[in-house]
Amino acid sequence: AQTVTQSQPEMSVQEAETVTLSCTYDTSESDYYLFWYKQPPSRQMILVIRQEAYKQQNATENRFSVNFQKAAKSFSLKISDSQLGDAAMYFCAYLNSNYQLIWGAGTKLIIKP
Amino acid sequence: DAGITQSPRHKVTETGTPVTLRCHQTENHRYMYWYRQDPGHGLRLIHYSYGVKDTDKGEVSDGYSVSRSKTEDFLLTLESATSSQTSVYFCAISEETSGGNTGELFFGEGSRLTVL
Repeated sequence: AQTVTQSQPEMSVQEAETVTLSCTYDTSESDYYLFWYKQPPSRQMILVIRQEAYKQQNATENRFSVNFQKAAKSFSLKISDSQLGDAAMYFCAYLNSNYQLIWGAGTKLIIKP
Repeated sequence: DAGITQSPRHKVTETGTPVTLRCHQTENHRYMYWYRQDPGHGLRLIHYSYGVKDTDKGEVSDGYSVSRSKTEDFLLTLESATSSQTSVYFCAISEETSGGNTGELFFGEGSRLTVL
């Protein structure tokens, strides 16, 4: 069975600094999607970034980028120039071949002003 | 923003009573999902639907049933609520393109259910 592990329950970063959130997953599939979702205090989940496993190039969305290491089954999220609005729970997720998302337990990101 | 609304947003009920949560979408997406979110567990899939009257179980389906009689509505029913079903419930829909299901989910705002 596929699993997703986020080993950091909580991370904090100074405003304007860079922070990296870790995610590892376990699967025997070769083609899949990986996602990072953000859940601010308002509770609504928002997609941050998506990576397709067959693409070697790391996905980037403005200040958000990933370090995708397929062989190591690692999918970390880097947030550059952290802003107060980045404070949220961040969830890593894996999409399996049945189009079901497998979720990590989440990392709470705190931004220090 | 994807047009997804959940109702009710908050509900308090007693053990043993039936509860139905409704998810309504205006996007005409085929895939719809019900998740529950509990501290330390992230999101766990309860049931999902891939079309009208087509549903399947997720990883935590015991004690829950669903129905989808039309594309826009996906109902989640707790036949006899228990305290272990106290949670925040999220509905989601999948984005679809000409290539099929992309896996990107759009979420509702959540329904907080408390079972006393």
